[in-house]
Amino acid sequence: GQNIDQPTEMTATEGAIVQINCTYQTSGFNGLFWYQQHAGEAPTFLSYNVLDGLEEKGRFSSFLSRSKGYSYLLLKELQMKDSASYLCAVRALTGFQKLVFGTGTRLLVSP
Amino acid sequence: DADVTQTPRNRITKTGKRIMLECSQTKGHDRMYWYRQDPGLGLRLIYYSFDVKDINKGEISDGYSVSRQAQAKFSLSLESAIPNQTALYFCATSDDRDSYNEQFFGPGTRLTVL
Repeated sequence: GQNIDQPTEMTATEGAIVQINCTYQTSGFNGLFWYQQHAGEAPTFLSYNVLDGLEEKGRFSSFLSRSKGYSYLLLKELQMKDSASYLCAVRALTGFQKLVFGTGTRLLVSP
Repeated sequence: DADVTQTPRNRITKTGKRIMLECSQTKGHDRMYWYRQDPGLGLRLIYYSFDVKDINKGEISDGYSVSRQAQAKFSLSLESAIPNQTALYFCATSDDRDSYNEQFFGPGTRLTVL
């Protein structure tokens, strides 16, 4: 089976940096995704890691350590529009390669 | 125009009613999925389909059925709705030729069962 843990809620200030952690336990691993979801809207893709290390994409970066079952999403220069839920999802190493989602971290950015 | 569309966007129904949620996509993807999202539980997979002839149960398929009418269309049915099926439902698609096999989500259907 698979288990994914991430904090329920975080707060940060506009312009700051925030790190959202995700730990996972899986019987097979074939990649980790981060999605952003604004309230009542569809999740949208942010990043994908399958190898260890840091992937940078503008203000957002994602890190993966497969040996530790750990990932984080780093958001820099926070903006009010970054207030959203951030979903960590692990892809299984099975024929179907389904995604298992964490419960999400709700980030509130204040002025 | 949206690549993945869902109808209806909102629906209120009564216990015991049959209801169908529809999903259409113009992305040309073979894989389609139905999820439900509940507060504190995250997204959970109901059914998935690799292509028109392939339908598979996800982790919470009881009380639901699906139909893949065409590559572009994947419908979710609740044969006899019950209140604990009140949730936000998302359809998603992915392209198995894509190295990421990233999933693209529709806008969601908010279903309330009274």
